[in-house]
Parts: sequence; structure tokens; C-alpha cells
Amino acid sequence: EPEVTQTPSHQVTQMGQEVILRCVPISNHLYFYWYRQILGQKVEFLVSFYNNEISEKSEIFDDQFSVERPDGSNFTLKIRSTKLEDSAMYFCASSAEQGFLSTEAFFGQGTRLTVV
Amino acid sequence: EDQVTQSPEALRLQEGESSSLNCSYTVSGLRGLFWYRQDPGKGPEFLFTLYSAGEEKEKERLKATLTKKESFLHITAPKPEDSATYLCAVQAQASGSRLTFGEGTQLTVNP
Repeated sequence: EPEVTQTPSHQVTQMGQEVILRCVPISNHLYFYWYRQILGQKVEFLVSFYNNEISEKSEIFDDQFSVERPDGSNFTLKIRSTKLEDSAMYFCASSAEQGFLSTEAFFGQGTRLTVV
Repeated sequence: EDQVTQSPEALRLQEGESSSLNCSYTVSGLRGLFWYRQDPGKGPEFLFTLYSAGEEKEKERLKATLTKKESFLHITAPKPEDSATYLCAVQAQASGSRLTFGEGTQLTVNP
């Protein structure tokens, strides 16, 4: 069964350092997303990406964050200068072409980011 | 602003004891309501999509229903392996493709 894969599963970084979280979405999907979940809190939307550009972003997704699809398979989230409050589980998701009705998003297993 | 409220926060059941989880939502034009299951330390696993009031979907021991203000996830004769956090999320017509999640209901089924 096709799945979204994320690497690494766990990343520890020093405050102020840059991190890149990587994702391989499901191959025939066209919409890609990043969500995060701070421990004990709800899953929060960060950004959606379609046709090689950001289609929507939340207020959390400030100038410290960027996304990229460097090739035909990978989708990355970069945090330029990490803060303690960036510590969270980051989930990548993808969904198929969306018409009038929404299609479900499939999530990866997540990258646990710990900023020390 | 889209809002999703789930209740109860936590639910303990005995194996075989049926129950329901609630998801109340406020959204400016519902495009879809989604149920996911999340195991500890894992990503959300898709269960159901509901589009319009009156719609119902079933999968094994789970059945999801939708009204104009809320959705229910009914669990019939649960087993210990159904223990997980169940997440409800909405997608609004005006919000593009983003999902707005509730806090989830943590379900524990004791043998």
C-alpha cells in the first residue's frame, strides 16, 4: 500500500541551527502539506503546496519556515533558525487531485524535532 | 474561524462495550469532515470522509455519521486493538485544502 515516508524519525538540534525535514509523498498525489503537533496539543496546519508553489499557509508558517520540492519525489520543510518552541512532531501529508469534493490526506509517521 | 471540539477527552471502555465519540464543528461551508486514528508517536491514519448531513460510513467496528453541526464515531463491540486517539478534522470551502483538527478523544479498551 502506498505511504508517505518521512526522514529522519527523530532530530535533535541546537537552538539557532537550521534543520531540514524530508518527506516522500505518495507518488501520484499532487497536494503536499506540513502539519505539526506539539506534545499534548492538537495537530496544526502549517502549509500546503501545489504545482510547485505554496497554495496556503498558516500564521505559524513565518519567515523562518520554507518548503521546497527539489526533485520529482522529495518535499522538504526547512526551519532556518530553530527556537525551543519549534520542538514538536512534524507530519508530512499528501492528497490526490481535488475537485468539488475533498480527498483525504494521508500522513507520514512524523519527524520528532527536539530543540535544545 | 473554523472550530472543532471533540468530546469526551478520554474514554475507557470494557471490551465489547459500545459507545460513541462526538465531534462538534463550526465552519463556513463544510467541504469535508474527516476521522483519523492516531496511535502514540505515529501519524494520523485516515478512517472516513463525510461530505453532507445524513451521510454514514462504516468500517469494521466503526461507523461515522454527520449532521449539520456534529459528527459521531460509533464504536460497536470494541476490542483492545481499537485503543488509540481518534481525531476529527474539517475542511472548509473557504479555507482551501487545510484541515482544522480537534483535540481528539483518547480511547482505551480494556480486555
